[in-house]
Amino acid sequence: NAGVTQTPKFQVLKTGQSMTLQCAQDMNHEYMSWYRQDPGMGLRLIHYSVGAGITDQGEVPNGYNVSRSTTEDFPLRLLSAAPSQTSVYFCASSGTKANSPLHFGNGTRLTVT
Amino acid sequence: GENVEQHPSTLSVQEGDSAVIKCTYSDSASNYFPWYKQELGKRPQLIIDIRSNVGEKKDQRIAVTLNKTAKHFSLHITETQPEDSAVYFCAASINYKLSFGAGTTVTVRA
Repeated sequence: NAGVTQTPKFQVLKTGQSMTLQCAQDMNHEYMSWYRQDPGMGLRLIHYSVGAGITDQGEVPNGYNVSRSTTEDFPLRLLSAAPSQTSVYFCASSGTKANSPLHFGNGTRLTVT
Repeated sequence: GENVEQHPSTLSVQEGDSAVIKCTYSDSASNYFPWYKQELGKRPQLIIDIRSNVGEKKDQRIAVTLNKTAKHFSLHITETQPEDSAVYFCAASINYKLSFGAGTTVTVRA
């Protein structure tokens, strides 16, 4: 099992550009989520999904869209990149029970200039 | 939403000593409290977790205590070793929404 796979590892965007961060898991996990990590602020929840076809907003959803068409994939879309979205992004998944341990991907380091 | 505060932000300990990190949470409905360790440039990894029906849990040199009345929980690392140097995050969860503290950078001095 590869676990949670994120691509790309690094990305540089110009202000106003759009892009999609990819996330895939092969553990048949129902729950998937996206976090951003900024210095001194821990990890903040952007969006999450409790199953295919179901998504919901987290703490900092503005400027980001998600979809969950399959159990395996949970892409994060930046609609119009802003310098404030410079961050490290982590995708995570967990099993069918609420409050199961999160398994994180290796992260994507995004810089918006 | 849930607000998790974590203290201290940095902690330096002598190898072999104990380290304690404390967290408080705001929403009494939170029922799951995991702790994650993140080494530099790596992903966060779960080291221990506790659910609201348990007051204490131990795994070798690591223990977590939970006081639901006071809404605080703590991580205790005994006999610290250089490989314990990392950033530690506490978190509190209501159903599927996990809120993290800001993190504690632990440095173990040889």
